[in-house]
Amino acid sequence: GESVGLHLPTLSVQEGDNSIINCAYSNSASDYFIWYKQESGKGPQFIIDIRSNMDKRQGQRVTVLLNKTVKHLSLQIAATQPGDSAVYFCAENPNSGNTPLVFGKGTRLSVIA
Amino acid sequence: DVKVTQSSRYLVKRTGEKVFLECVQDMDHENMFWYRQDPGLGLRLIYFSYDVKMKEKGDIPEGYSVSREKKERFSLILESASTNQTSMYLCASSDAYGYTFGSGTRLTVV
Repeated sequence: GESVGLHLPTLSVQEGDNSIINCAYSNSASDYFIWYKQESGKGPQFIIDIRSNMDKRQGQRVTVLLNKTVKHLSLQIAATQPGDSAVYFCAENPNSGNTPLVFGKGTRLSVIA
Repeated sequence: DVKVTQSSRYLVKRTGEKVFLECVQDMDHENMFWYRQDPGLGLRLIYFSYDVKMKEKGDIPEGYSVSREKKERFSLILESASTNQTSMYLCASSDAYGYTFGSGTRLTVV
């Protein structure tokens, strides 16, 4: 999962298996959460989002789970493919005026073919 | 296809040079942001702007300034580049539905 420090957490997954990437967020008032995927040489791209009035949201092969009690967010990728190899960031909207999104430090997903 | 365009993908500058990083968006977004990205540190906010000629400091504004003279363009300025400003710089714009990022500029200061 996400952590403080200079080492990027890495998750290695066999092709075809499911991946779970975790994120602990900091602000209990945050009302909106987003997962981004960043491939090598590219900027982060939107994957899926969830509002704080939900605890689960599904997209195509991806599911985001939100546990507000413990301030935890997870991204589940079904049937992981080599093209899923990337760095994944969670982001929270602090819901405080016009404050920018707060990003986690990222998790690198490596898919083993 | 809507997008955020950063003028340079790779840039090499000398210590002490004044450096301009340009960002243009075609989505008519009010909000624009500059981040730097370093291994293990994630995305750190340098400056942001919610309107033309408006700017706000982010978490690490020291050594940087910005300019927003037109809605679609947000420039990051390194007044006197230093080696610790070697990094990947990401520009983003946003509306109510989330951020769109550019592809980044990898700046090396030698």
